Amino acid sequence: NAGVTQTPKFQVLKTGQSMTLQCAQDMNHEYMSWYRQDPGMGLRLIHYSVGAGITDQGEVPNGYNVSRSTTEDFPLRLLSAAPSQTSVYFCASSLIQGAAEKLFFGSGTQLSVL
Amino acid sequence: SQQGEEDPQALSIQEGENATMNCSYKTSINNLQWYRQNSGRGLVHLILIRSNEREKHSGRLRVTLDTSKKSSSLLITASRAADTASYFCATRVDSSYKLIFGSGTRLLVRP
Repeated sequence: NAGVTQTPKFQVLKTGQSMTLQCAQDMNHEYMSWYRQDPGMGLRLIHYSVGAGITDQGEVPNGYNVSRSTTEDFPLRLLSAAPSQTSVYFCASSLIQGAAEKLFFGSGTQLSVL
Repeated sequence: SQQGEEDPQALSIQEGENATMNCSYKTSINNLQWYRQNSGRGLVHLILIRSNEREKHSGRLRVTLDTSKKSSSLLITASRAADTASYFCATRVDSSYKLIFGSGTRLLVRP
């Protein structure tokens, strides 16, 4: 199994540009989420979804948009990139119920906004 | 402010010693999880403890949870150089699917 796949691995944007970070999982997980990690810090939740058609905001949602049209995919859109969005972005997924609530993480996307 | 805060922020020990990391949180939780992150990589799940559990073991890992103090600790026994990583606690807030991470402890195990 591929697990959680994120693309691209690296991206450089100019201020004001828009882009979409892709995330796909092949484990039939209901829950998917996006986090950002700034240097030397923990992860902050941006948006999450508990199933197709259902999304909700996390701790730091401003400047980001998500949609969940399928169980497998959960893209993150930066509407108008700002230098403050320079960060490493992680997508993660999990089953919802029972002991299998642990998150499986993608390998991350390193984003620089100039 | 973040739901979970780890203590200490950084820890340096000799191989073979035990490492203890603490996590405090603010609100009622459904479960608490610990993750490890090697430099530049995604996080890997280590162990999950539910709010009605007090202690859990997995190999060289021992996790305790004190809901009255809103705190948890992760003990790594007989540490190895390969345990060098950052360790994060994460809490699933009651009545929510959100998993909120703390700021992490950077562990260095010297050979």
